[in-house]
Amino acid sequence: NAGVTQTPKFQVLKTGQSMTLQCAQDMNHEYMSWYRQDPGMGLRLIHYSVGAGITDQGEVPNGYNVSRSTTEDFPLRLLSAAPSQTSVYFCASSSASGGEETQYFGPGTRLLVL
Amino acid sequence: GENVEQHPSTLSVQEGDSAVIKCTYSDSASNYFPWYKQELGKGPQLIIDIRSNVGEKKDQRIAVTLNKTAKHFSLHITETQPEDSAVYFCAASMITGNQFYFGTGTSLTVIP
Repeated sequence: NAGVTQTPKFQVLKTGQSMTLQCAQDMNHEYMSWYRQDPGMGLRLIHYSVGAGITDQGEVPNGYNVSRSTTEDFPLRLLSAAPSQTSVYFCASSSASGGEETQYFGPGTRLLVL
Repeated sequence: GENVEQHPSTLSVQEGDSAVIKCTYSDSASNYFPWYKQELGKGPQLIIDIRSNVGEKKDQRIAVTLNKTAKHFSLHITETQPEDSAVYFCAASMITGNQFYFGTGTSLTVIP
């Protein structure tokens, strides 16, 4: 199993550009989530999904969209990038929500918005 | 929502010594507390977790303690080794919930 994969590893955007961060898992996990990691602030939940067709907002959802058309994929879309969205983004998955099962994190996407 | 505080933000210990990282949480409904280790350039990896019906859990050199009354939990690493050097995060959630709340991280350096 590849586990949780994320692409790209690194991206530079100009303010106002849009892009999609890809996340895929091959463990047949129902629960997937996106976090951003900023210095001194830990990881903050952006959006999550408890299964295909179901998504919900986390702690910091503004400026981001998600969709879950398949169990495997959970892309994160930046509609109009802003410098405040410069961060490291992590996707995670688990077979159940909450504390029922271990969360597995991807390697991250480092995003720089100029 | 839940607020998780983590201390210290940086910690240096000599190889072989013990390291302790402490977290507090605000929501008494939280009942699941995982700890993650993040190595440079990688995603966080679960190293140990504890549920609120247990006061302590141990896995080889790593242990976690939970005080529900005081709403704090701690990570203890004994006989530290250079490969323990990493950033450690605590988190809190409800077992039946959908959201995890993370602490701000502790950068642990083990000096050979």
